[in-house]
Amino acid sequence: GQQVMQIPQYQHVQEGEDFTTYCNSSTTLSNIQWYKQRPGGHPVFLIQLVKSGEVKKQKRLTFQFGEAKKNSSLHITATQTTDVGTYFCAIYGNKLVFGAGTILRVKS
Amino acid sequence: DVKVTQSSRYLVKRTGEKVFLECVQDMDHENMFWYRQDPGLGLRLIYFSYDVKMKEKGDIPEGYSVSREKKERFSLILESASTNQTSMYLCASSSPGQGNNQPQHFGDGTRLSIL
Repeated sequence: GQQVMQIPQYQHVQEGEDFTTYCNSSTTLSNIQWYKQRPGGHPVFLIQLVKSGEVKKQKRLTFQFGEAKKNSSLHITATQTTDVGTYFCAIYGNKLVFGAGTILRVKS
Repeated sequence: DVKVTQSSRYLVKRTGEKVFLECVQDMDHENMFWYRQDPGLGLRLIYFSYDVKMKEKGDIPEGYSVSREKKERFSLILESASTNQTSMYLCASSSPGQGNNQPQHFGDGTRLSIL
């Protein structure tokens, strides 16, 4: 079945530094979703990307879908302690398949 | 706001027991899902359902079954619990959409320990 590789597995940054997580697929994707899970919480939907080369912003978060629709990234500018958690990408084949997630820790 | 409620936040059971995890959603969603979450493995789909009395196997259905007798309720059953089923279990629901690609709404999860 479809799979998506997410990197890095873990990142520890100083507050104010930027952060990026990447998702890569070997096949062309119809769309990609991003979720955030706070420590002790459940995944919460952030955004869905559908179009080739699409870029969407939510405050300090920038989401990008590759031109070939095989990869995607989530970039956080100037991280804050409220950004801590695990960020997942998820792709649809006949069902939603999640990446392994990137754990973000922020040192204040 | 969509509310997905899982019956227990924490549960401890013994090996060989039959375990029921319940999930209820209040948004009249057609689609419901059960995942387990383990460190480093992300969320893995166990079973899903797109309609009442309908079920489909996900990626790791072995040792599990499900029941969907009513639209709002989706139950996960561990037929004979084993220690390797110790995990966080997450229920989710979504509305139907083109290609079934609607966002999923998750419950708070049940942390199940099998001793």
